[in-house]
Amino acid sequence: NAGVTQTPKFRVLKTGQSMTLLCAQDMNHEYMYWYRQDPGMGLRLIHYSVGEGTTAKGEVPDGYNVSRLKKQNFLLGLESAAPSQTSVYFCASSPHEGEGNQPQHFGDGTRLSIL
Amino acid sequence: GDSVTQMEGPVTLSEEAFLTINCTYTATGYPSLFWYVQYPGEGLQLLLKATKADDKGSNKGFEATYRKETTSFHLEKGSVQVSDSAVYFCALSLVGYSTLTFGKGTMLLVSP
Repeated sequence: NAGVTQTPKFRVLKTGQSMTLLCAQDMNHEYMYWYRQDPGMGLRLIHYSVGEGTTAKGEVPDGYNVSRLKKQNFLLGLESAAPSQTSVYFCASSPHEGEGNQPQHFGDGTRLSIL
Repeated sequence: GDSVTQMEGPVTLSEEAFLTINCTYTATGYPSLFWYVQYPGEGLQLLLKATKADDKGSNKGFEATYRKETTSFHLEKGSVQVSDSAVYFCALSLVGYSTLTFGKGTMLLVSP
């Protein structure tokens, strides 16, 4: 009963390096989301997807790119990491039925530090 | 735009005390309301939800009532336990949209 799995759990990068965060869900959910969590800021939506092959910008999309090539996977990329991107990143998914009424299911997060 | 405002924490209580965490919202449409809980080192979990005015969501002894007239969704529990120590997030989504708008979270610390 895996639910939403995020890889890796921890990572330290140097400024300017690139990396990809992987999110996988096994619940056949249509919708997937990437958030970042910073102290005192709550969760802020970076990008989201309403289905395979689709992506859309959230509240704080700058500096990130995403891809949803397979329904079960949602990738978050940092092309050139900056210290301001030090954060905890959460992936979530939700079903299509009852849009707006269905809860999102979250992974355990990826803690990313940019030096 | 849509927004959620929660009381700032941390909220510090003794075991068996009564808990209230205030949450108010502004929304351009007719929202569904949620409370999520985050235990240390984990992701968020749905605690309860309400989808229309006057609905009461409840789970694990926690309750919240959707009050349209005061645009509020306050979280309450009659007797907290040490295991309730966590960060609590109030959130909303609009009918027809899948994205959530979160409050900044309220940390609850319960001592024995």
